[in-house]
Amino acid sequence: AQRVTQPEKLLSVFKGAPVELKCNYSYSGSPELFWYVQYSRQRLQLLLRHISRESIKGFTADLNKGETSFHLKKPFAQEEDSAMYYCALLYRTSYDKVIFGPGTSLSVIP
Amino acid sequence: ETGVTQSPTHLIKTRGQQVTLRCSSQSGHNTVSWYQQALGQGPQFIFQYYREEENGRGNFPPRFSGLQFPNYSSELNVNALELDDSALYLCASSSNRALNEKLFFGSGTQLSVL
Repeated sequence: AQRVTQPEKLLSVFKGAPVELKCNYSYSGSPELFWYVQYSRQRLQLLLRHISRESIKGFTADLNKGETSFHLKKPFAQEEDSAMYYCALLYRTSYDKVIFGPGTSLSVIP
Repeated sequence: ETGVTQSPTHLIKTRGQQVTLRCSSQSGHNTVSWYQQALGQGPQFIFQYYREEENGRGNFPPRFSGLQFPNYSSELNVNALELDDSALYLCASSSNRALNEKLFFGSGTQLSVL
C-alpha cells in the first residue's frame, strides 16, 4: 500500500547546526514527492517539490529511489525554520491523490 | 490575489447531526481538494473536485460528500456525524487537476463532535 512515514515526531537542533528531516515512502510507481511546511499560526504551504530540484530557504531534498527516501536537509538551521514539516507523496491511479506523512515538528534552539 | 478562505473557523456538533463546511478557492483555480487532519496526524485526502465534478476520492465513507460550484467554490458535507469526525478540515485549491502543482491551503475549519 502507498504510505509515507516520518520517523521523528519531534526534532530539536541548535541554531547553525545541520538539520535532516527524514521521510520514507512506499509506492510501486514513479513517485512525485513534496515537502510542506506549517509555521506557527500560518497555513500549510508548499516548501519544495522534487521534480523542481530547487532549493527553498536553504532547504534541499533528494529523491533516493533505492532507499525510497526523500529526506529534507539544511546545512545551517535558523530559528525561523522552527515549524511542522510534512512529507507528501503524489499517488497516481485513475485519479491523483496526495498522501501526507504524520509530520515532524522541528525546533531550532537559539 | 485572494487566498483560500474557509468558513466557519470553528464548529461544534453532536453525534448524528449533519454539517456543511465551505471553501472559496484562490482566484483562477479550478480544482479543490479537501483533507481531514486529526490531532497529531498529517492531512488525510478526502476528495477532489475539478470543474464541478468529483475526480478523486480517498478512503472515506459515502456520508462524506461534496460539491463544487461554477465559481469553483466548494462545500464538504458530512452526514450522521461520529465522534471520530472531530478534526481540522482543510481545503486546498490548485490550478491543475493533476495535483502535482502547488496546493494552496485554507486555514481550516475545526469541527468538534460531542
